[in-house]
Amino acid sequence: NAGVTQTPKFRVLKTGQSMTLLCAQDMNHEYMYWYRQDPGMGLRLIHYSVGEGTTAKGEVPDGYNVSRLKKQNFLLGLESAAPSQTSVYFCASSSRDRGFVAEAFFGQGTRLTVV
Amino acid sequence: GQQVMQIPQYQHVQEGEDFTTYCNSSTTLSNIQWYKQRPGGHPVFLIQLVKSGEVKKQKRLTFQFGEAKKNSSLHITATQTTDVGTYFCAGPPDRLFGNEKLTFGTGTRLTIIP
Repeated sequence: NAGVTQTPKFRVLKTGQSMTLLCAQDMNHEYMYWYRQDPGMGLRLIHYSVGEGTTAKGEVPDGYNVSRLKKQNFLLGLESAAPSQTSVYFCASSSRDRGFVAEAFFGQGTRLTVV
Repeated sequence: GQQVMQIPQYQHVQEGEDFTTYCNSSTTLSNIQWYKQRPGGHPVFLIQLVKSGEVKKQKRLTFQFGEAKKNSSLHITATQTTDVGTYFCAGPPDRLFGNEKLTFGTGTRLTIIP
């Protein structure tokens, strides 16, 4: 099994450009998450999804949009990139086990630089 | 909104010394999860605690969930160079709706002095 796959792994954008990060999981998980990681800030939740066709805001949703048209895919979009969005982005997926959110599996991350 | 803080932010220890990181949530958690992220890597799941006051051990690692389900700790005995990395706690809120929201702590970066 591939687990959670993120594409691309690296990207450099100019301010104002747009892009989409793709996350794909092959574990049939209901829940999917997008986090950004900045030095000293831990992992901050951007958006998440509890199932196909549903999305919800996390802690830092401004400047990002998401879509979950298929259960296995979770897309993160930046409509107009800003230098403050320079970060490492992680996607994760999880299932529900005995009424609780179970172990989250992470992708390898996408290192995004906005110049 | 829910906030999860960890202390300390950084910890440098001599190899063989013990290490402890503490996790505190502003809201009650339904469960607590711990992850380890090696430098340049992605977070990897270590363990999940569900019950109030629960204690679990994995070799040299001891995990504890507070009685009020708002705090947790990870203790490593006799650290080794393989323990290097950042340790994160994470937990969804303990409520009827929105309990899939997995919020991570700020992390504790552990470095080992050989």
